[in-house]
Amino acid sequence: KAGVTQTPRYLIKTRGQQVTLSCSPISGHRSVSWYQQTPGQGLQFLFEYFSETQRNKGNFPGRFSGRQFSNSRSEMNVSTLELGDSALYLCASSLDGANNQPQHFGDGTRLSIL
Amino acid sequence: AQSVAQPEDQVNVAEGNPLTVKCTYSVSGNPYLFWYVQYPNRGLQFLLKYITGDNLVKGSYGFEAEFNKSQTSFHLKKPSALVSDSALYFCAVRDINRMNTGFQKLVFGTGTRLLVSP
Repeated sequence: KAGVTQTPRYLIKTRGQQVTLSCSPISGHRSVSWYQQTPGQGLQFLFEYFSETQRNKGNFPGRFSGRQFSNSRSEMNVSTLELGDSALYLCASSLDGANNQPQHFGDGTRLSIL
Repeated sequence: AQSVAQPEDQVNVAEGNPLTVKCTYSVSGNPYLFWYVQYPNRGLQFLLKYITGDNLVKGSYGFEAEFNKSQTSFHLKKPSALVSDSALYFCAVRDINRMNTGFQKLVFGTGTRLLVSP
């Protein structure tokens, strides 16, 4: 069974641009969560989607948005990029987001802002 | 709000020796606890979880963790370390109480780097 797939693996952008990251969950998984990982702030929760609906959101500005499609694939968008958005963005999936389920992570997209 | 503390930035151990990576948590209700491992340029890999039941939880690759409610701890252990265990380890918690039985985000600790020397 294929794991969580994130594309692209690496991305370089400049300030002010926008970016879209993609995540394909494990087959059959309907809950997708996004995290930002930086050396200074560690792992921080961005948002979680289930059945195309955002169920939970972390403390990030409105420049960070996401969506989920009917096949459970998810995209994350960051607009008006800032230098501080440089990070590893991780996507994780689980069957239905139940609290006793572990999340399964992709290898991430490393975003660098110049 | 829930939180997790990993008091050691780095743990050094010789191959073949037992290892412990410490984790303490703070929640208002009942904790659901998880350990993950991250290898360089990779995502997080699930090792084990505590939801309820036995305080000693066994997971992947010979790892285990002991839940201690009185000390609010969930330390990760392995009887005999391997060089290949060298990686970054994260403890995470979900805070479950009757007010928030819906999806709860995972809150991660800052991570502990484990270095196993040959």
